[in-house]
Amino acid sequence: AQSVTQLDSQVPVFEEAPVELRCNYSSSVSVYLFWYVQYPNQGLQLLLKYLSGSTLVESINGFEAEFNKSQTSFHLRKPSVHISDTAEYFCAVSGLRSGGYNKLIFGAGTRLAVHP
Amino acid sequence: DTGVSQNPRHKITKRGQNVTFRCDPISEHNRLYWYRQTLGQGPEFLTYFQNEAQLEKSRLLSDRFSAERPKGSFSTLEIQRTEQGDSAMYLCASSLGSGTSTDTQYFGPGTRLTVL
Repeated sequence: AQSVTQLDSQVPVFEEAPVELRCNYSSSVSVYLFWYVQYPNQGLQLLLKYLSGSTLVESINGFEAEFNKSQTSFHLRKPSVHISDTAEYFCAVSGLRSGGYNKLIFGAGTRLAVHP
Repeated sequence: DTGVSQNPRHKITKRGQNVTFRCDPISEHNRLYWYRQTLGQGPEFLTYFQNEAQLEKSRLLSDRFSAERPKGSFSTLEIQRTEQGDSAMYLCASSLGSGTSTDTQYFGPGTRLTVL
């Protein structure tokens, strides 16, 4: 079984400041890791994912996350945030299952509030 | 728009009534998932379909819940004898089903259920 802990329920930050959203997971098997973003009144959108290979993964809008197996973490970072980054961010994990599908296990979410 | 669609977007019902939600996945996506999201929490897996076959059901899916995916296209989720604890956002996601566990899940906007 897998579980995900997002250590901060809310993160307030000023525009153009750096931000880190923390995510830790537990699993007895190899996992795939995801960050999803949910903008107000919109559905979940995949931000980035780690499947294998390089432990540093990047999104098209400047976010990056690093898979750290020894610390079982997958923290999300952005060096300079914009007002438009205000949203709820969910970390998720899935383990390889028979049949090949990935049931996602989500954390409780972190609300990022960017202030001018 | 060729994304995942869900109807209705909002449903208010009285305790004890039956409700049915519909999900239309992205065309040609073989895999379909239902999740439930309560306030302040991340989505929780409910059930999974590979084409028309329901291959996994969470223990969260009591016998009052039933899901179908006839012909492997759209899916319905029915809740019988609704209870106030059923109030939540019900999310549908679909993925291509490429034979591995790494295909991306695309989420619909959700159906928000309020049970009075």
